[in-house]
Amino acid sequence: NAGVTQTPKFQVLKTGQSMTLQCAQDMNHNSMYWYRQDPGMGLRLIYYSASEGTTDKGEVPNGYNVSRLNKREFSLRLESAAPSQTSVYFCASNDGGGTGELFFGEGSRLTVL
Amino acid sequence: AQRVTQPEKLLSVFKGAPVELKCNYSYSGSPELFWYVQYSRQRLQLLLRHISRESIKGFTADLNKGETSFHLKKPFAQEEDSAMYYCAPRETNAGKSTFGDGTTLTVKP
Repeated sequence: NAGVTQTPKFQVLKTGQSMTLQCAQDMNHNSMYWYRQDPGMGLRLIYYSASEGTTDKGEVPNGYNVSRLNKREFSLRLESAAPSQTSVYFCASNDGGGTGELFFGEGSRLTVL
Repeated sequence: AQRVTQPEKLLSVFKGAPVELKCNYSYSGSPELFWYVQYSRQRLQLLLRHISRESIKGFTADLNKGETSFHLKKPFAQEEDSAMYYCAPRETNAGKSTFGDGTTLTVKP
């Protein structure tokens, strides 16, 4: 049972380059989330998707776009990477109601030079 | 705005000592309260949630609505409890969770 899978695990970009982080879950969850984790700042919500076909901004959406491709997949795109986007990115999912427990991916470490 | 405060970034105790990780929140409505844990080289995972009133790995958390606190406690810390702990209230209607800055717990032998 894979749970939540993120790719890539590591990426180094130059300022101005673009990239997409991929996330997939196999738990039939309705809701999916993208967080970033910075030292001393906990996890901050970038975007979320409460259900297939909907996306909403979180706390720190600037510089990012998302796509809820289908119920399983939720991608995060950086159109023009900046050094301030150097972080560890976590994808998570839950059933949206129910217990509310979040299930996390292993994280993607992104460095922007 | 929803706010979660974990006042201790670092907490160090000796094995067998009691440990308390503090969490205070400022939230509209009645949020659901969760604690998540991240062990070294593992993914973030749920430790416990208030609504189920359970004790996991010896940890408990008491919700104090008057003080808007949800402190995590364990009477006798173990070395394997060393990890990063996050308090995370969740909006009941919208379903979003807000995370505190986290507390790194180190349990020394």
